[in-house]
Amino acid sequence: NAGVTQTPKFQVLKTGQSMTLQCAQDMNHEYMSWYRQDPGMGLRLIHYSVGAGITDQGEVPNGYNVSRSTTEDFPLRLLSAAPSQTSVYFCASSYMQGSNQPQHFGDGTRLSIL
Amino acid sequence: GQSLEQPSEVTAVEGAIVQINCTYQTSGFYGLSWYQQHDGGAPTFLSYNGLDGLEETGRFSSFLSRSDSYGYLLLQELQMKDSASYFCAVLTTGGYNKLIFGAGTRLAVHP
Repeated sequence: NAGVTQTPKFQVLKTGQSMTLQCAQDMNHEYMSWYRQDPGMGLRLIHYSVGAGITDQGEVPNGYNVSRSTTEDFPLRLLSAAPSQTSVYFCASSYMQGSNQPQHFGDGTRLSIL
Repeated sequence: GQSLEQPSEVTAVEGAIVQINCTYQTSGFYGLSWYQQHDGGAPTFLSYNGLDGLEETGRFSSFLSRSDSYGYLLLQELQMKDSASYFCAVLTTGGYNKLIFGAGTRLAVHP
């Protein structure tokens, strides 16, 4: 049972490039989300999804797009990378969207924008 | 909007007890969760309080007071491996339910 798998683990981009961070889970979880983590700022919610075909914005959605075509996958797209998007990105999933449901996190993607 | 406040750093010695507080302001509050994160690792779930009172899981306990918009995580018999960052998180409404994290408390345990 792999849990939540994020790829790539590390990535360096140039300003203006686009890329997709991949997230897949094999636990049949309905709720998936993307967070970014910057030093001293904790985890900030970018986008989330409560099921296939349903997504919504979180606290810091600008510059990012998501889609949820299957239950398993929830990719995060950077449209035009900026140095301010240098961060560690975590994908998480849970069975349902209640807070009593533990969020299972992937190992993260460390992204640097030059 | 929503906000969560927790201390940025806490220091303690092995074997001691430490309490990490969290105050929150949210709409449509459902419950308070706690997560642990070691340096370079991913957050892992520790506990959840949906009702007022104390929840105990081994050396860790978590408390919630809805009337005070306040909770805490209590770590007993501290071990060196407890050195990590601890985050409180609340489920808040506005669109669909979403989980919002505090900025985290860095706990350093010394011999």
